[in-house]
Amino acid sequence: DAGVIQSPRHEVTEMGQEVTLRCKPISGHDYLFWYRQTMMRGLELLIYFNNNVPIDDSGMPEDRFSAKMPNASFSTLKIQPSEPRDSAVYFCASSQGDSPLHFGNGTRLTVT
Amino acid sequence: KQEVTQIPAALSVPEGENLVLNCSFTDSAIYNLQWFRQDPGKGLTSLLLIQSSQREQTSGRLNASLDKSSGRSTLYIAASQPGDSATYLCAVKGIAAGNKLTFGGGTRVLVKP
Repeated sequence: DAGVIQSPRHEVTEMGQEVTLRCKPISGHDYLFWYRQTMMRGLELLIYFNNNVPIDDSGMPEDRFSAKMPNASFSTLKIQPSEPRDSAVYFCASSQGDSPLHFGNGTRLTVT
Repeated sequence: KQEVTQIPAALSVPEGENLVLNCSFTDSAIYNLQWFRQDPGKGLTSLLLIQSSQREQTSGRLNASLDKSSGRSTLYIAASQPGDSATYLCAVKGIAAGNKLTFGGGTRVLVKP
């Protein structure tokens, strides 16, 4: 298996623009997680899905952030409008039940 | 609220020395604890997962122990190598947190040749 695939790897955008991050989880995994990592705050869970249904979005910072999982093989995290404080590395991860979590290589977002 | 702490934040050892990495958590009601490795510019790679009923897990040169009652886990890496240089993070899946993991801040390890 190719692992969790995220795109793009890097994204540079101007404040106010819409940003869409994409994730393809490992086939057969029923959980999908979106994390954000910064030096100041470490790894923060934004939202997670089980069988394509959002279960907990309490970590989503504000209404500018939204996530969807239209099917078992694809998820998006959208930021609209983006702000400089959204600059971070965004990770997608997936797992099957209680098995170990598998992470993608992340998307490094820079908002200027 | 579960809090996970890793001390020290950074560690430097000469090649061949054994590494001891610490993780502590505040709520002992957990399903499991995982140790991850993160290389610069990469995602996290799962190293070991210890279920709450287990005391330790081993994989090659890696051994992780779990003492749930005291809220501690230790990752031992035997005979360290320069390739072990990375950041190591522990994460706890708490019973009160559903299927969410709470991560520690990580320990950045440098193994000097």
